[in-house]
Amino acid sequence: AAGVIQSPRHLIKEKRETATLKCYPIPRHDTVYWYQQGPGQDPQFLISFYEKMQSDKGSIPDRFSAQQFSDYHSELNMSSLELGDSALYFCASSSEGNEQFFGPGTRLTVL
Amino acid sequence: AQSVTQPDIHITVSEGASLELRCNYSYGATPYLFWYVQSPGQGLQLLLKYFSGDTLVQGIKGFEAEFKRSQSSFNLRKPSVHWSDAAEYFCAVATYSGGGADGLTFGKGTHLIIQP
Repeated sequence: AAGVIQSPRHLIKEKRETATLKCYPIPRHDTVYWYQQGPGQDPQFLISFYEKMQSDKGSIPDRFSAQQFSDYHSELNMSSLELGDSALYFCASSSEGNEQFFGPGTRLTVL
Repeated sequence: AQSVTQPDIHITVSEGASLELRCNYSYGATPYLFWYVQSPGQGLQLLLKYFSGDTLVQGIKGFEAEFKRSQSSFNLRKPSVHWSDAAEYFCAVATYSGGGADGLTFGKGTHLIIQP
């Protein structure tokens, strides 16, 4: 069965640089979610989109933005990167408000 | 706002022994509850979910969980653990508003260690 695809899987950036993470949901899923998981931490919800509109907002920094496109893929844009942004970033997708299926994550390292 | 508490940071169990991981939630209405498992550096895999109906839910890999409204709990159980069950286990709660589900709120996780 098709799963959530995230790219890239690993990303290394310098402080103050920008990064773009991409998420391709499971086909026919209408909702995409972004989470951030720091080392040894639980995942923290950042933001979600339903039918291309922002549906819920969590602890997303103002330096981050995201959107969902017409093909339902989503991108998380991160600017002015800080050392503390180093984390695993997960995308999840769901259909009609059912359970969320998670992608493999993107490991972002900020040097 | 909803919250999830997993009281046990680490649990060590012998292979073949039974397992129970505790989860308590705080939410004003009936929550939607989930258990996810995560191996080191990997994504989160859904073990089971509770939306409504039968309070004892069966999941994958031989896991089950019981929703107890009176205790605000959703504990995960397995009758006999295998070495491959060693991982981090997260309990999570979701709320639903118009237009899809809201983001999940996770507990801090329980690290399961299996002794040979």
